[in-house]
Amino acid sequence: DAMVIQNPRYQVTQFGKPVTLSCSQTLNHNVMYWYQQKSSQAPKLLFHYYDKDFNNEADTPDNFQSRRPNTSFCFLDIRSPGLGDAAMYLCATSRPLGVGHYEQYFGPGTRLTVT
Amino acid sequence: GENVEQHPSTLSVQEGDSAVIKCTYSDSASNYFPWYKQELGKRPQLIIDIRSNVGEKKDQRIAVTLNKTAKHFSLHITETQPEDSAVYFCAASSWGKLQFGAGTQVVVTP
Repeated sequence: DAMVIQNPRYQVTQFGKPVTLSCSQTLNHNVMYWYQQKSSQAPKLLFHYYDKDFNNEADTPDNFQSRRPNTSFCFLDIRSPGLGDAAMYLCATSRPLGVGHYEQYFGPGTRLTVT
Repeated sequence: GENVEQHPSTLSVQEGDSAVIKCTYSDSASNYFPWYKQELGKRPQLIIDIRSNVGEKKDQRIAVTLNKTAKHFSLHITETQPEDSAVYFCAASSWGKLQFGAGTQVVVTP
């Protein structure tokens, strides 16, 4: 009964080699998020979609892009991974439960290693 | 933008004692304050949340308080158990975007 699914759970890529991480959800939530979490740090929001509307955080590097082809799926593309991009990437979903109230559900994460 | 500060960064407690984690936020538009527990290598899990129109909320051994005027909120865990050991994150949200605090590593020693 997994609700937010991320594949793969572990990804190893080479320096500069493009990589795509995927997220899917069975909750039918209209909002999807991508976070980057480095060791001993808080999750950092990269971007989010409200339905098809894409919202990029101001400090998200251009190297990171995203696609959301439909409600259920969202992808994170890293065009040229650097060593500093090694991290846990968390996908989350939410829907409005009240005025300004969005409860977020996180996927299990993809651990990205860059060699 | 929103800035959330969280203290302490580490907290060591004896089993059975209480643990308190405090957070402050800067954006008065924030109206939803969740707390997440994250065990090593796992996803953040929502343990309790509070909305801005509520001052306190309890769920068994966990409680959260919110002071909107002072812009601070706190997590209280009573009768701590070893399985409460984890990193706890507070967050503040307006319209779906979470800004996390830096996290508190809680260690409960038997």
